[in-house]
Amino acid sequence: NAGVTQTPKFQVLKTGQSMTLQCAQDMNHEYMSWYRQDPGMGLRLIHYSVGAGITDQGEVPNGYNVSRLNKREFSLRLESAAPSQTSVYFCASSERPSGANVLTFGAGSRLTVL
Amino acid sequence: GQNIDQPTEMTATEGAIVQINCTYQTSGFNGLFWYQQHDGEATTFLSYNVLDGLEEKGRFSSFLSRSKGYSYLLLKELQMKDSASYLCAVKDSNYQLIWGAGTKLIIKP
Repeated sequence: NAGVTQTPKFQVLKTGQSMTLQCAQDMNHEYMSWYRQDPGMGLRLIHYSVGAGITDQGEVPNGYNVSRLNKREFSLRLESAAPSQTSVYFCASSERPSGANVLTFGAGSRLTVL
Repeated sequence: GQNIDQPTEMTATEGAIVQINCTYQTSGFNGLFWYQQHDGEATTFLSYNVLDGLEEKGRFSSFLSRSKGYSYLLLKELQMKDSASYLCAVKDSNYQLIWGAGTKLIIKP
């Protein structure tokens, strides 16, 4: 049981380049989300999805696009990377977004934008 | 605004007990979570409290006081593998998770 798998683990980009972070879960979860984690700050929600084809903005959505083509996969795209997007990105999923549902996280993707 | 406060870093000795505090000010309350985060590994769920009191799960316990906006995570019989960051998170009235910045716990032999 792999849980939540994120790729790549590490990436270095130049300002203005684009890239896509991939996330897949094998737990049949409805809810998937992308967070970023910066030093001295709590996890901040970028975008989330409650089902295939349904996405919505979180706390810090600017500069990011997401796609949920099916139940398993939820990708995060940076169209034109900026140094302010240097961060560690986490994908997380749960059965439902509300109540006591526990999030299952991926191992993280460390992105550096030069 | 909404705020979660926890100490930035704590140090403890192998075999000892440590208490990591979390205070919160949020718009409503629908539960408090503790997660463990090791560098380069998936962040994992430790505990969930929605009612006042103590929840015990093996070496880890979590306490909640809703009237005081306060929780703590208690780790007993510390092991070197407990060296990690511990994240406190609260679900607000809209069921949105508000996260603390995490407490880095360093265990010394």
